[in-house]
Amino acid sequence: AQKVTQAQTEISVVEKEDVTLDCVYETRDTTYYLFWYKQPPSGELVFLIRRNSFDEQNEISGRYSWNFQKSTSSFNFTITASQVVDSAVYFCALSEAFRAAGNKLTFGGGTRVLVKP
Amino acid sequence: DGGITQSPKYLFRKEGQNVTLSCEQNLNHDAMYWYRQDPGQGLRLIYYSQIVNDFQKGDIAEGYSVSREKKESFPLTVTSAQKNPTAFYLCASSPRTSGGINEQFFGPGTRLTVL
Repeated sequence: AQKVTQAQTEISVVEKEDVTLDCVYETRDTTYYLFWYKQPPSGELVFLIRRNSFDEQNEISGRYSWNFQKSTSSFNFTITASQVVDSAVYFCALSEAFRAAGNKLTFGGGTRVLVKP
Repeated sequence: DGGITQSPKYLFRKEGQNVTLSCEQNLNHDAMYWYRQDPGQGLRLIYYSQIVNDFQKGDIAEGYSVSREKKESFPLTVTSAQKNPTAFYLCASSPRTSGGINEQFFGPGTRLTVL
């Protein structure tokens, strides 16, 4: 069975500090996909990144960066120079490779990030 | 604008009543999904559909039913058999591809409260 663990339930930082969100996953599949989503107070989930299991290259997008380490089954997310608008709940999710039965996402419990001015 | 709409935003129901949550998408996506989110928790999959007139149970389908008569619509009915229906419900869709996985796009959600 697949499992995603986000051990940090809440992180509070002051604006301009960096914040790293941890994500550890479990799967028996050799091919899988990992995602990060942001849920602002409005409630709608916003897609941030997708990574497949064969691509361990780290990625940077503006103030966001992701560190994928297959050896430790981790897919961590860092926000550099945080801003108040980054305050949200962030979810890590895992999907099996595509099968006819469907694309099922397994979500972690989420990490609430509070950025104080 | 392309996107996913869910209605209503807030819904109140008396115990013992069935209620239907609407989800419509104009993204031309083949697959659609329903998730439930409880306070302080992640999302759990209720039902999903990859094609019209076909759908599969997710991890917590008991007490729920769905239909997929049109590509753009995937309504969810919360029946009286659902023991604890108060939650935030999110609908999502994704394009179907022959290989690989695409991200799911989410609607704004419906907050259901049972009185």
